[in-house]
Amino acid sequence: KNQVEQSPQSLIILEGKNCTLQCNYTVSPFSNLRWYKQDTGRGPVSLTIMTFSENTKSNGRYTATLDADTKQSSLHITASQLSDSASYICVVSNNDMRFGAGTRLTVKP
Amino acid sequence: GAVVSQHPSRVICKSGTSVKIECRSLDFQATTMFWYRQFPKKSLMLMATSNEGSKATYEQGVEKDKFLINHASLTLSTLTVTSAHPEDSSFYICSAKQGVTSGNTIYFGEGSWLTVV
Repeated sequence: KNQVEQSPQSLIILEGKNCTLQCNYTVSPFSNLRWYKQDTGRGPVSLTIMTFSENTKSNGRYTATLDADTKQSSLHITASQLSDSASYICVVSNNDMRFGAGTRLTVKP
Repeated sequence: GAVVSQHPSRVICKSGTSVKIECRSLDFQATTMFWYRQFPKKSLMLMATSNEGSKATYEQGVEKDKFLINHASLTLSTLTVTSAHPEDSSFYICSAKQGVTSGNTIYFGEGSWLTVV
């Protein structure tokens, strides 16, 4: 069983709408949790990185939250744009990195 | 900011030949680099962890003689796919870890498309 589970697997929203992506993990202990955005055929780009003690971190229209007690993280995207269409990957690190399968987001006009 | 460069971005090779992909950290020293493989619409799969000056640590199921990894310097790691076959066609991505003083941030390369014909 994957130690990092992301949901939904895919999501389609209209431009301008908000959305929230989920990441549940069982990696323990962990040192940090990262959210990456990966455009098709490109390398992942870091959006946020949070340590155990952080609850929320924002990067422009992206806001990540972390609940270390329930081992859940979310990535909230506000006022979505067409360029937000991509895969969003949750990565939990301890001594190694555990990748979620990603959520494929499609923003339609 | 920190940048990781991969080269080539696309390569086509004939079956049976070998192809080398380079991963460079452009403005920081990376003691650890990682190599991944990704199939279309699938998640990144870690292939191996490469530490400068030592042998790479391969994930279970990854043939070390098939995928040769060399991390000769703090800014360069290479992945050589030996005796390539069409099933080796894939998207290969590297990442490099910046040091503890920089928060152990990991930066990804842009990836390399390999097509074996």
